[in-house]
Order: sequence, then C-alpha cells, then structure tokens
Amino acid sequence: DAKTTQPTSMDCAEGRAANLPCNHSTISGNEYVYWYRQIHSQGPQYIIHGLKNNETNEMASLIITEDRKSSTLILPHATLRDTAVYYCIVRVGNQGGKLIFGQGTELSVKP
Amino acid sequence: DAGVIQSPRHEVTEMGQEVTLRCKPISGHDYLFWYRQTMMRGLELLIYFNNNVPIDDSGMPEDRFSAKMPNASFSTLKIQPSEPRDSAVYFCASSSARTGSYEQYFGPGTRLTVT
Repeated sequence: DAKTTQPTSMDCAEGRAANLPCNHSTISGNEYVYWYRQIHSQGPQYIIHGLKNNETNEMASLIITEDRKSSTLILPHATLRDTAVYYCIVRVGNQGGKLIFGQGTELSVKP
Repeated sequence: DAGVIQSPRHEVTEMGQEVTLRCKPISGHDYLFWYRQTMMRGLELLIYFNNNVPIDDSGMPEDRFSAKMPNASFSTLKIQPSEPRDSAVYFCASSSARTGSYEQYFGPGTRLTVT
C-alpha cells in the first residue's frame, strides 16, 4: 500500500471549513484513498473514500487531484466535536484487508 | 445495530498473568480485525480474519499472543503470559464485503494495563 504524508496538526475556527491535505505521490491505479478519524479515547471512525472522482457524504467531501497524487478532506462547517486525529490511508480497494495507519493530522477546532 | 462490542473495557493485571480480550463483530460482517494502539507505535494491525479464518497474522508480536474466531459472532485475543510492554488499547473492528467499500467499524477498545 502507498505511503501517505499529512501535516502533524492543524487548527480550525468553529463554523469554518476544515481542509485537511494528504499527499500520496506513489499511489497505484487500483488504490483508493480512505479517511478515518479518531476522537480522543474512542475507536477510529470511517469518514469517506474515493478512487479518482470527488466524493461527498453527510460527513465530509473528498477532493482528489487529477493525477491522484494528493487529496483533501473537507469538513464544510467544523464543530468542536470534529476535534480528532484524521488519518488518510491508501489501499487497494475495494476489498477486505488491513488498514495501515500513519500518524495522521491532529485537528483542533477552536471556538 | 449495537456496533462492535468489546469486553472488558478496562483490564488491569499483573505481569505473567493470562489476559483474554473479547469481541463481538457487527452481525453479518465477514471480516474481523484486531488492532493495538500505543503512543510509541500508533495504531497497528495484529491479525485479521475472513469468514472466521485467519488471513494475516504477521502483526502478532510473538508466541505469547494468540487469536481465535470460533464462530462468526465472537473472537478472542489472548496474551499469555502478559508483560508490561503489552499495555495498550486493543481495538476490534469488523467489515463486510456486501457494502462494496469494506469500511471498517471499530469497537470502543479495551485498555489493558500490565503492572
């Protein structure tokens, strides 16, 4: 599975959009980009995933560049409850199998 | 749905004792995963099962760790004998091929402290 690079930490004002970047320059054609988050003291939570098209669900939007070497997770109106560590994971999909978690981005949403 | 259920939520034991962690996956899910999280190593996969069969146990630290899945609704992770370095939060997760996206659903974790 391709490696990913994310900033260690980010701040965002409550009510504003949070844009979390992820670089995955060695991604292969059959690899998907998955995003999970982990709120303090809880298990990780699936957010969204995509292959090459932009995706949106009730939690977030995922923007993948045309060359697929990077992506951005967008939380359109961040709330205090969105404070968490966000993990960008690239893996062959869609199939079962393990997730390889990096260090993620610690997002702090501030009032 | 109740989600993934893990027990106990907290376990404190002395070095050398046997520890058994339990997991009930979401009904109908055919994949089950055991992860461990520490400050030093982050989240790492220990083992995963597909249809109750172990597929990849390359993350299991050593022979002191063993995992079983006797049926589709129950799995155990056993540590015998336990050591202080096993102190961590252990997460169980499950997923389903039917969703097509294989997103994993995690339980609340078991916080293990070995003294």
